[in-house]
Amino acid sequence: QSVLTQPPSVSGAPGQRVTISCTGSSSNIGAGYDVHWYQQLPGTAPKLLIYGNSNRPSGVPDRFSGSKSGTSASLAITGLQAEDEADYYCQSYDSSLSLVFGGGTKLTVL
Amino acid sequence: EVQLVESGGGLVQPGRSLRLSCTASGFTFGDYAMSWFRQAPGKGLEWVGFIRSKAYGGTTEYAASVKGRFTISRDDSKSIAYLQMNSLKTEDTAVYYCTRVDGGWYSDYWGQGTLVTVSS
Repeated sequence: QSVLTQPPSVSGAPGQRVTISCTGSSSNIGAGYDVHWYQQLPGTAPKLLIYGNSNRPSGVPDRFSGSKSGTSASLAITGLQAEDEADYYCQSYDSSLSLVFGGGTKLTVL
Repeated sequence: EVQLVESGGGLVQPGRSLRLSCTASGFTFGDYAMSWFRQAPGKGLEWVGFIRSKAYGGTTEYAASVKGRFTISRDDSKSIAYLQMNSLKTEDTAVYYCTRVDGGWYSDYWGQGTLVTVSS
């Protein structure tokens, strides 16, 4: 049982826009801690995709964007491409002095 | 270029111990917290624990699932972080990743992972 809640799967056709939600609680996201997102391509290590709620590391396309409000956050992907098919995880910090994750969302590009 | 290379994984019997190493390069190792994560076969990511930099006391925090069994340490002179795993259980079977932790508590660099299999 993950501390942060994500939908198990989302899908979209090439070129479309999809969003992935991440819901926490008053001890993590709601406490003001930032949300970060990782992309894990099949068979590879996770890669930082969004940090500090909405910031993209160098090299991440601007098709990827993040937002946060209250106890939730969202990752949006526009102009969906086949190479975006991957697992996506949200992560935050918790008042219990731990790092917490969502269970992951599998993105399928139709 | 920042690089993190995990080593030490393998097959181990339940109840035994194993020590993983994470060798870092391309940055000033002592300036950063380091964290360990794991991913059981077909499952999601799970945080294992982290160690703060010496500037913040070099203290550690652990997930409840490993607290009291796992210990994270660091050797800044060698740029290596360690994960000592004792009293291993079959449910500890996973790929273990080491990461560099930025001040905002996100992992900006990940190693390639090392597989630990706990089985008799």
